[in-house]
Amino acid sequence: IAGITQAPTSQILAAGRRMTLRCTQDMRHNAMYWYRQDLGLGLRLIHYSNTAGTTGKGEVPDGYSVSRANTDDFPLTLASAVPSQTSVYFCASSDSFGQGAKNEQFFGPGTRLTVL
Amino acid sequence: AQTVTQSQPEMSVQEAETVTLSCTYDTSESDYYLFWYKQPPSRQMILVIRQEAYKQQNATENRFSVNFQKAAKSFSLKISDSQLGDAAMYFCAYRAKAAGNKLTFGGGTRVLVKP
Repeated sequence: IAGITQAPTSQILAAGRRMTLRCTQDMRHNAMYWYRQDLGLGLRLIHYSNTAGTTGKGEVPDGYSVSRANTDDFPLTLASAVPSQTSVYFCASSDSFGQGAKNEQFFGPGTRLTVL
Repeated sequence: AQTVTQSQPEMSVQEAETVTLSCTYDTSESDYYLFWYKQPPSRQMILVIRQEAYKQQNATENRFSVNFQKAAKSFSLKISDSQLGDAAMYFCAYRAKAAGNKLTFGGGTRVLVKP
């Protein structure tokens, strides 16, 4: 694989169910991110991780949790899904969380999640 | 908190013509980056162009250029010689250097290209 992969591509989920969205990158990037995309609102940061073993809350963290056990993987878990979590979820990574000039974020293909 | 506003939900342009997308942002920071991302129907997010706040020269990437007005907190994207492949959602994004690498996005502008 090259870049960032996300699984599943899409999912329909009953409200109240637990769901984990998977994200894997093979670029050895330190930082990883989860965004949700909703019409008219652009992408909003849910959680991020500056390096393996650390995580932080973004703009809309409620109802979501993340872990970063290693460099490559950054799963996003919905403990008890609600219809308002229906969205497209993007994982991203970047080489560093520092203040450098580049630090371009590379995005995965997204997961479309529908909660009924 | 920083906010990014894209006031045009949709823009239409004739093939080979020029279209300009507007973006304004609100921040108290002085050192930051601004970006334009393209999202075609494939859903993939593609970085189009970036601008560093301390650089007065406007960034250009082939047919894409920006008009960066720091005092006005404005960052517009101009697409010249529009092509059918330019049809996509375009997102303006902001990152303060002091805030690590966290991006704040605008709501997006859909660009339609007419043949």
